[in-house]
Amino acid sequence: QKEVEQNSGPLSVPEGAIASLNCTYSDRGSQSFFWYRQYSGKSPELIMFIYSNGDKEDGRFTAQLNKASQYVSLLIRDSQPSDSATYLCAPSGGNSGYALNFGKGTSLLVTP
Amino acid sequence: NAGVMQNPRHLVRRRGQEARLRCSPMKGHSHVYWYRQLPEEGLKFMVYLQKENIIDESGMPKERFSAEFPKEGPSILRIQQVVRGDSAAYFCASSLEGSYNEQFFGPGTRLTVL
Repeated sequence: QKEVEQNSGPLSVPEGAIASLNCTYSDRGSQSFFWYRQYSGKSPELIMFIYSNGDKEDGRFTAQLNKASQYVSLLIRDSQPSDSATYLCAPSGGNSGYALNFGKGTSLLVTP
Repeated sequence: NAGVMQNPRHLVRRRGQEARLRCSPMKGHSHVYWYRQLPEEGLKFMVYLQKENIIDESGMPKERFSAEFPKEGPSILRIQQVVRGDSAAYFCASSLEGSYNEQFFGPGTRLTVL
């Protein structure tokens, strides 16, 4: 079983729609959960982080965490073509210590 | 505030040469992390350092790779006797001491081994 699993996509959504990105993880000791955005050929950019079960909203982004189900998601409202990128889920803590344990990412394509 | 700085941005080496990658953390950050991204692969943790200390090197290959973060100056990732399989993007990230581990990434060094 892979430690961090994300659907590789591509996930295609029309402009203005809600994009839903999902991530499951196997290390129950994970404490912090990060979402990064990475454009092709660029470095990862931190979008959001969440530590507690439930929802956390920041602008058009909402992160959701369910530790019992070992599931974390990212919702992007009013998707824009500029949101087209790869989204990386990264739990931290637990067996990985301070390291970010990245999934392979989901490619998102927002079509005009 | 300057972000995380890495240099060089692109590095070409022939097999058997040494590669030195440098990383200066964000101002005020004292924790540095190195990650490697192989073509078509995900980001993999290599090493976590604080000033003058290696905290976690569980992701570092056992041979040819070393890292340091001296009291003065940037963190250095050193790869000796490079092989073609070392070709990758190497990213450095930094975090603020005592933070909830929010790591901010530099632009990366793209290493190509001929």
